Amino acid sequence: AQTVTQSQPEMSVQEAETVTLSCTYDTSESNYYLFWYKQPPSRQMILVIRQEAYKQQNATENRFSVNFQKAAKSFSLKISDSQLGDTAMYFCAFKGYTGNQFYFGTGTSLTVIP
Amino acid sequence: GAGVSQSPSNKVTEKGKDVELRCDPISGHTALYWYRQSLGQGLEFLIYFQGNSAPDKSGLPSDRFSAERTGGSVSTLTIQRTQQEDSAVYLCASSQDRRANEKLFFGSGTQLSVL
Repeated sequence: AQTVTQSQPEMSVQEAETVTLSCTYDTSESNYYLFWYKQPPSRQMILVIRQEAYKQQNATENRFSVNFQKAAKSFSLKISDSQLGDTAMYFCAFKGYTGNQFYFGTGTSLTVIP
Repeated sequence: GAGVSQSPSNKVTEKGKDVELRCDPISGHTALYWYRQSLGQGLEFLIYFQGNSAPDKSGLPSDRFSAERTGGSVSTLTIQRTQQEDSAVYLCASSQDRRANEKLFFGSGTQLSVL
């Protein structure tokens, strides 16, 4: 079975600073996808960024980037130039090529301080 | 529709009553997922639909939980004889198909409170 672990329940960062959210996962599959989702107070989760495991290059989306370490099964999210609108719960997720489920971590609550 | 719609947004019920939660996915999305989010927990998988069929029901916690999808569109999650431990946010998500890299589009969820 796949497991996703987020060891930081809460984090805070000053506006305009950089913050890194950690995620580790466990799987026996060799082909899979990893995701970071953001859940604001409205509860509607939105995709922040995704990484294909067979790609060595780390994904980037504007101020968001990942550090994907396949051997270590680590997938951290870096948010640069943090903005007040980044305040939300962030979930790391895994999806194997086989199977139907997306597996989610327990989330990290991020607060951006003005 | 423009996005995934869930209703009701909030539901308060008494222990032992039945509840129905509705999800209206994005038009044309064949894959539909139900997840449960409890306080301090991650998202717990409940069921997956591909079209009208449910090839994966492995996450349904008991036989009090059931779900159906009709016309390849709207899905209903039914909880019979609700218990206090059923209190949670129930999230629905859809995607264009079941390819692993497909982006999930989530609704805003139904907050269920069982008194």
